[in-house]
Amino acid sequence: EVQVVESGGGLVQPGRSLRLSCKTSGFTFGDYTMSWFRQAPGKGLEWVGFIRSKAFGGTTEYAASVKGRFSISRDDPKSVAYLQMNSLKTEDTAVYYCTRDNQDYNYYFYMDVWGTGTTVTVSS
Amino acid sequence: DIQMTQSPSSLPASIGDRVTITCRTSQRIDTYLNWYRQKPGKAPELLIYAASSLQSGVPSRFSGSGSGADFTLTISDLQPDDFATYFCQHTYSVPYTFGQGTKVDIK
Repeated sequence: EVQVVESGGGLVQPGRSLRLSCKTSGFTFGDYTMSWFRQAPGKGLEWVGFIRSKAFGGTTEYAASVKGRFSISRDDPKSVAYLQMNSLKTEDTAVYYCTRDNQDYNYYFYMDVWGTGTTVTVSS
Repeated sequence: DIQMTQSPSSLPASIGDRVTITCRTSQRIDTYLNWYRQKPGKAPELLIYAASSLQSGVPSRFSGSGSGADFTLTISDLQPDDFATYFCQHTYSVPYTFGQGTKVDIK
């Protein structure tokens, strides 16, 4: 069964750091771009960033709201993606989702596997 | 950034209804448009990708159409499982953005 499972969320003070993990199974992790999204309480969905597969350079892209504070990495042998969050702000409070990014033969991208999410609360 | 305008924001409906949700983008995005359903307290689930392709395992009562800047999600024969919030999303360029959501609830 194809699965992604996030972990590492919790309560953290503003200005501190937290690292989220996204453990995957059931597919060849190294072949896929992996994304992170978040959803603040009662709000809509926000793309945080992604890391491309090594075949596409393993490069990253980030939303403007987190660029310079958050970084995404991957460990292909362990089939895990990470979201390192530094200098956290109260507005980073959200449920964070990890996704597998797929594409069709015309290179249209879509997020076909979502984890259940992990909650990050930034508060003093 | 590409702005996504979804309508309506709320849609009262009954079992068996045919419902339509629209998504308009601030610039043309070919068919780089996905639709998701999110039930309360759960993660989003992919319904439609590339504007009109049905994701594997998703019931055929869901369909998508459109290209350029105007898109539609249609649910024919609304089922109890479909009372949820629906989001459109583009993957044309970064940042990927979402519509604000359409909550389909019981009339």
